[in-house]
Amino acid sequence: AQSVTQLDSQVPVFEEAPVELRCNYSSSVSVYLFWYVQYPNQGLQLLLKYLSGSTLVKGINGFEAEFNKSQTSFHLRKPSVHISDTAEYFCAVSDIRGGSNYKLTFGKGTLLTVNP
Amino acid sequence: DTGVSQNPRHKITKRGQNVTFRCDPISEHNRLYWYRQTLGQGPEFLTYFQNEAQLEKSRLLSDRFSAERPKGSFSTLEIQRTEQGDSAMYLCASTTLTQGYTFGSGTRLTVV
Repeated sequence: AQSVTQLDSQVPVFEEAPVELRCNYSSSVSVYLFWYVQYPNQGLQLLLKYLSGSTLVKGINGFEAEFNKSQTSFHLRKPSVHISDTAEYFCAVSDIRGGSNYKLTFGKGTLLTVNP
Repeated sequence: DTGVSQNPRHKITKRGQNVTFRCDPISEHNRLYWYRQTLGQGPEFLTYFQNEAQLEKSRLLSDRFSAERPKGSFSTLEIQRTEQGDSAMYLCASTTLTQGYTFGSGTRLTVV
């Protein structure tokens, strides 16, 4: 079984400041890793994913994340945030073993609030 | 294709009534998932279809819940005899795995 821990439930930052949203996961098998963003009363939008290859993954809206296998982390970063980045962010993992159902296991989310 | 479509967007129902939600996935995606999200939590897995076959159901899915995906196309999630604890956002997602999941906008259920 997998589990995901998002270390901060809320992160307030000022506009144009850098931000890092932290995610650690636990799994005994290889996983895919994802970050999703959710705006109020909306579904989830994929920001980026790590499947294999380069550990630095670039996504939409200027976000990037780095996969660190030894620390079992997949932290999300953006060098300069905008007011429009205010949303809930979810880290998720998926078991990629053959025969797996590939379901996503989510963290509890981090509310990013960007203040002017 | 415009993505994953869910209907209705909002549903208010009285306790004890039955409700049904519909999900239309991206047409070439053979895998379809239902998740439930309560306030302040991440989505939790409910059930999964590969084509028309329902291959896994979570323990969260009590006997009052049933899901179908006839002909491997759209899917429906029915809740019978709704309870206040069923109030949540119900999310549908489809995928081809390597492309990542595409989620619908969800159906927000309120049981009064």
